[in-house]
Formats: sequence, structure tokens, C-alpha cells
Amino acid sequence: DIQMTQSPSSLSASVGDRVTITCRASQNINRHLIWYQQKPGKAPKLLIYSTSNLQSGVPSRFSGSGSGTAFTLTINNLQPEDFATYYCQQSSTTPLTFGGGTKVEI
Amino acid sequence: QITLKESGPTLVKPTETLTLTCAVSGFSVSTNGVGVAWIRQPPGKALEWLAVIYWNDGKYYSPLLRSRLTITKDTSGNQVALTVTYMQSVDTATYYCARIHGSSSAFDFWGQGTKVTVSS
Repeated sequence: DIQMTQSPSSLSASVGDRVTITCRASQNINRHLIWYQQKPGKAPKLLIYSTSNLQSGVPSRFSGSGSGTAFTLTINNLQPEDFATYYCQQSSTTPLTFGGGTKVEI
Repeated sequence: QITLKESGPTLVKPTETLTLTCAVSGFSVSTNGVGVAWIRQPPGKALEWLAVIYWNDGKYYSPLLRSRLTITKDTSGNQVALTVTYMQSVDTATYYCARIHGSSSAFDFWGQGTKVTVSS
């Protein structure tokens, strides 16, 4: 199985900050990397697929990059509604696997 | 408008079998390239993928739970079901169904989730 490791597990930030979250895969997944945002008590929401493709309706302050085994999610100009937990997921092969999550807190 | 909605028991006893249903609207479970997956999330923990069934009836399971899972689809009723046998306390979680689209292989639409507690 491909293990996905996110760092940090949590971070504190302020409105207007730039935030970067890292996701590492235990083996090469090319660009088959997806990012989700989850707020408490809610289902995850798709943000980015195939490493850097923004899902329709997602603000452009979200961006993704990387390839192979190292990936990043960047949030520019952090907004109050961005405080949430973020998960990466590899879609290269089954079993599909998620990272442990990164909680972005005030 | 695409929606998915999970239904099933909220409480099951240890060793019992759990059956969850995902009712889909806004797309067909038979649409080329589409799949419906089950993902769960124990309280305070990360997401865990369980199984997926595709439009062509292809099925894939988490190897950790393979022996306990069965995923099926009802084309006429446009729904997908998941059966989990021998439920234990560690299976207490919110269970989500989600659409996976072949072009992106991402879960682009999710149900609201259903919380299942395993307790005697």
C-alpha cells in the first residue's frame, strides 16, 4: 500500500497568511494527488485533483504543486472560512489512501 | 444537481453485520467512467477508504478489510450498498459514500455521512 504522510499535523495561522501543507507518498505516484478540505461535522470537499487542477468553484487562492513523492498545498491570503482540516489522497493505485490530515487553526 | 445520501442503522452490536445504502441522484451509477465509493472516519481520526464499485461493476476493496466487505449496486434503484460483517468497536465511525469520476479519480461529490456506533 502507498502511505501518505502529511506535515505538519496542525498549524496556527492568521487571516491573510500564506499557508503551505506538505504531503509525501511512500512511492512514486506521478501527479495522482488530490486535496480535500473538511470542516467539523461536514463531509470533505474536493479542492484540487491531479496535483494542481482546481475543482470548479474553488477559490484561486488555493494551489497545488509537486510530482513523484512530494506535494504541497498552498493557501494564499488565508480567509476565515479556510480554517479547517486538509487531507491529501493518492489516486495512483488501489487501495486509495489518505494522509493523516493537517488542521489549520487560528 | 448531484446528491448522495447514506442510510442505515446508527447503532449495531458487536459481531453484527452492518448494511449501508447510498441513494444517488443527479447521475446514474451506470454512467460510463463513474464509480461510487465508501469512506469512513472514526471520531477525531483521518479518512479511510473502504471500497469502490464502478459503472462496469468493477469492484475494489481495502485489503485490510477485504474479507468483511461487500459492495453492490442497484442500477434500477440507482443506489449502492456496503455490507460490513463482524462489526467491532473499532468500526465505530462516520461512513460516507462519494462519487469518483474516472477523469480525475477524485471524490467530487460526497454524501453527508452517517454515524455508526458499535456497542452492546
